[in-house]
Amino acid sequence: GAVVSQHPSRVICKSGTSVKIECRSLDFQATTMFWYRQFPKQSLMLMATSNEGSKATYEQGVEKDKFLINHASLTLSTLTVTSAHPEDSSFYICSARRAGTVSGNTIYFGEGSWLTVV
Amino acid sequence: KQEVTQIPAALSVPEGENLVLNCSFTDSAIYNLQWFRQDPGKGLTSLLLIQSSQREQTSGRLNASLDKSSGRSTLYIAASQPGDSATYLCAVSPVNYGGSQGNLIFGKGTKLSVKP
Repeated sequence: GAVVSQHPSRVICKSGTSVKIECRSLDFQATTMFWYRQFPKQSLMLMATSNEGSKATYEQGVEKDKFLINHASLTLSTLTVTSAHPEDSSFYICSARRAGTVSGNTIYFGEGSWLTVV
Repeated sequence: KQEVTQIPAALSVPEGENLVLNCSFTDSAIYNLQWFRQDPGKGLTSLLLIQSSQREQTSGRLNASLDKSSGRSTLYIAASQPGDSATYLCAVSPVNYGGSQGNLIFGKGTKLSVKP
């Protein structure tokens, strides 16, 4: 089956620094990737939609200057949390839609990344 | 605005019991509904996908039903095992969404514990 790799799986960073999370589709091309965040005991919430070769579309309430998304190729999207604060500590997970499809059954999720800001 | 609710939030059952997890959504305009499993500290594993035109899907001991008109889905787990212990998430793919298709709206999940 299709595989989406997310790295790092866990990261601890100091407050004020930036951290980058990568989302890679290993065996398929993904024109669209989605970034979600999940706080403890909460739903996964969509942060932004990443489209290859264009600017990401952010959901309401998500600061685009704080959560930088780059989708430079058909297999890689990155999320950079800039000037991280403890309240940014969360579980971040990406999903990728296989290129050439529109149906929901071709969405594949990464393993997620635990970010802890100290 | 589409909202997904899962009941109960947590469930503890003895091994071997059959159980039902519930999911409801407020807007019936969906492409599909999926059930996922999330283990602690892990990503998501897709269990079952039901297209909007379908009524149910089965995989092994799992059976998911969809009643789109009433905005409800159930996940039935037969003969539960300790290895089934995890959080089960329900998610819908909304039609009335201005962004790219493939976005999912999730419920908060049901945390299942199956005791040996």
